[in-house]
Amino acid sequence: GENVEQHPSTLSVQEGDSAVIKCTYSDSASNYFPWYKQELGKRPQLIIDIRSNVGEKKDQRIAVTLNKTAKHFSLHITETQPEDSAVYFCAASKNFGNEKLTFGTGTRLTIIP
Amino acid sequence: GAVVSQHPSRVICKSGTSVKIECRSLDFQATTMFWYRQFPKQSLMLMATSNEGSKATYEQGVEKDKFLINHASLTLSTLTVTSAHPEDSSFYICSATLGTQYFGPGTRLLVL
Repeated sequence: GENVEQHPSTLSVQEGDSAVIKCTYSDSASNYFPWYKQELGKRPQLIIDIRSNVGEKKDQRIAVTLNKTAKHFSLHITETQPEDSAVYFCAASKNFGNEKLTFGTGTRLTIIP
Repeated sequence: GAVVSQHPSRVICKSGTSVKIECRSLDFQATTMFWYRQFPKQSLMLMATSNEGSKATYEQGVEKDKFLINHASLTLSTLTVTSAHPEDSSFYICSATLGTQYFGPGTRLLVL
């Protein structure tokens, strides 16, 4: 089955700087890669996703890049703000998200004011 | 946007009792829902895929007789934890698919 690895497990960034979280996946059939932000005790919230037919996607301060050949994808947050502090999960799925998600292990991001 | 609800949000029960958790898609129909479990400071682990009108598909290591799933309609899936024990204490989250997966708010189960 699919295996998703995520690094780093913790990340502290000065407010205003950029944060990068990286994930690798094992199943070349995966074609949908969402990123979720989860605050303590809350549900995961989709912040951005990318499909395998696209190499990069951006939404304001958040961007995701995908390298299908290397089977890795990354989340980039620019101009970080204190409210960006949370746990971030990457995930992978087949059938463009209509099948089960395999999650990475999570990254606890702390923005230092 | 797509909204998924879960009930209850929190439940405390005695060891040996059964607990039912409901997952509803409020403004869309979902033929497929997923049930995840999340232990403190860990990732979400898929327990089972719930298909409307058919039997659920369980992930390896998940006991189907302990975690009963019923997907009786296109907007409702239920997870029943039978004979719950303290090690079943966890955060249970469902999701429903509409192009992507939308998560419910989760149910925190504490078994005493």
